[in-house]
Amino acid sequence: DAKTTQPNSMESNEEEPVHLPCNHSTISGTDYIHWYRQLPSQGPEYVIHGLTSNVNNRMASLAIAEDRKSSTLILHRATLRDAAVYYCILRDSDNYGQNFVFGPGTRLSVLP
Amino acid sequence: NAGVTQTPKFRVLKTGQSMTLLCAQDMNHEYMYWYRQDPGMGLRLIHYSVGEGTTAKGEVPDGYNVSRLKKQNFLLGLESAAPSQTSVYFCASNILAGGPYEQYFGPGTRLTVT
Repeated sequence: DAKTTQPNSMESNEEEPVHLPCNHSTISGTDYIHWYRQLPSQGPEYVIHGLTSNVNNRMASLAIAEDRKSSTLILHRATLRDAAVYYCILRDSDNYGQNFVFGPGTRLSVLP
Repeated sequence: NAGVTQTPKFRVLKTGQSMTLLCAQDMNHEYMYWYRQDPGMGLRLIHYSVGEGTTAKGEVPDGYNVSRLKKQNFLLGLESAAPSQTSVYFCASNILAGGPYEQYFGPGTRLTVT
């Protein structure tokens, strides 16, 4: 199974941009890159996903390296509500739930 | 839409007791999953289901059983609870497997086994 590597923790100031990196050097051609986040005492929630091109939505942007071996989740203006654990996950388009692997993620702290 | 709901929210069991956790989704999703999350860890897949009447083992299935008698419900059973099963349990669903499909999670059940 393709694995991802993320920093254990990061810190940001409120209203500043945050760049959360993820390495996935063994990614295959059919793997989608997903980001989820988990607020304290809640279940994970979807943030964004992409395959090859950069993606934007109302929550964040996803920048994918040209060789797809790394990606960066960008929060344009961090708020206190963005303090959470962020998970970078690879999902094969052909397989079932077995390959939806959550690592320890990156714990983002947002300072007022 | 209520999304994914879980019952109960909290439970304390004694070693050897049994219980069933209920997950319900109202989005007509085919795929449903049970995960557990231990303190400071990511989620680990226990069992999953690709449709009504079908179930399969995930990464950590031992000590658990599941059933999917109705499409909207996925039950997780502990026949003889052990302290090692103290954890937060999350249910999730998505419309199709893999790829670009978003997975929706419930709020979790916090289980303590003493």
